[in-house]
Formats: sequence, structure tokens, C-alpha cells
Amino acid sequence: QLQLQESGPGLVKPSETLSLTCTVSGGSIGNSDHFWGWIRQPPGKGLEWIGTIYYTGRTFYNPSLRSRATLSIDTSKNQMSLKLTSVTAADTAVYYCARVVPVGGNDIWGQGTLVSVST
Amino acid sequence: VVLTQSPDTLSLSPGEGATLSCWASRRLDNNYLAWYQQRPGQAPRLLISGASKRATGVPDRFSGSGSGTDFTLTISRLEPEDSGVYYCQHYSSLDIFGQGTKLEIK
Repeated sequence: QLQLQESGPGLVKPSETLSLTCTVSGGSIGNSDHFWGWIRQPPGKGLEWIGTIYYTGRTFYNPSLRSRATLSIDTSKNQMSLKLTSVTAADTAVYYCARVVPVGGNDIWGQGTLVSVST
Repeated sequence: VVLTQSPDTLSLSPGEGATLSCWASRRLDNNYLAWYQQRPGQAPRLLISGASKRATGVPDRFSGSGSGTDFTLTISRLEPEDSGVYYCQHYSSLDIFGQGTKLEIK
């Protein structure tokens, strides 16, 4: 059964770069049938789409985060990554990675990882 | 596109039915609309895609309908474990989520 697991620092200082990795197990991130996405959720608030990536490296970004977010994929490690630069307290959130079914929504999610931005 | 969900909160009793709405600011081509359930402390769970197609393992108490700009998630015979926040999502090359509807089962 396919599973996703987010990993990375739980605390990042303001103005620094947030870096997270999503490791896929039980399946291949190089599967051409799916895309892979990042979504975040500030404490007590709703879901915000960050971006989506295909195994070829093609990316789609939320316009509000495009200037600061970079998604990448490493099929040899079965991982994808998120980098978010110049973070502020507003970037404090639970960050989820998910498998994206083309024209079908996000059908498998990681458990999420809380990243706090603070000194 | 902006998705607006209604109501913000819904409080119902076990056995009752629930109707959750999602309005899009413009017509959604191909009805690329999904519904998710998020229980406290958990990741979202896909319930419905394509406005009306149930995801694998989702009970038939959950049904989606609608097209264009108006979409509905209907939950029949409510159970306590249906409590949580429900989100609609328009998926395309740019995804967007609604603000969520909190469903309380008392």
C-alpha cells in the first residue's frame, strides 16, 4: 500500500529557508499516472495548496507562493522536496504531501509535519 | 476561482442527514470538484472527485452532486465519526480549496 511521509526541521527561523522532504513507499514516485503535491494548513485554519510536481519535473505553483516556493523530485530516491524561502510567522503550518490523481483530486496523503517559524 | 462553502458550522444528531454546499465564483469546466473530510488531528481524506464519484472505500452514505458553480455534499444517516471539517477543492493546473464546513454530531 502506497504511503507518504513528510520529514524536515520542526522549527525554522524567520527569513530562513524551510526545507521538507516527502518519501514515498509502497510505490514509485516515477509513476507516470500521478502527480505529487504539497498542501499546508496553518493552526486552526483551512487548507492551502502550495504546488504540484510531475515525475518529469514539471511544476505548478500557487501564484501567492510562486516567488518563494520550489518543488523538486528525485525518482532515484523516491522523494520529492519543498523549499520555501524568506519564511515568516505566517508560514507556520502543518505541511502535507499528497498523491494527485490527474483530474481526480488528492487520493493519498502523508500524516503531515508541523513547521513553526520562530526565533 | 474562489470557492465559498456553506454553512460554516453544522450541528446535527446521529441518524439525521447533512447537506453541505460549495459555490464557485465561476463555472468549473468538467466539474473538477472534490470533497474531503478532515477529522481532528488527521490528514484530509478524499471522499468525492469529479463532483459525484465516490473514492475507494467511502460509504455510500456520502454522495456528491452539482455542476457548473453549485455543488453539494450530502451525508445520510449521520454517525458520530462523521464529525470533522469538510472541504471542497477545485483541481486543475491551479488548485483551490474552500474555507471548510465544520460538522458536529451531538
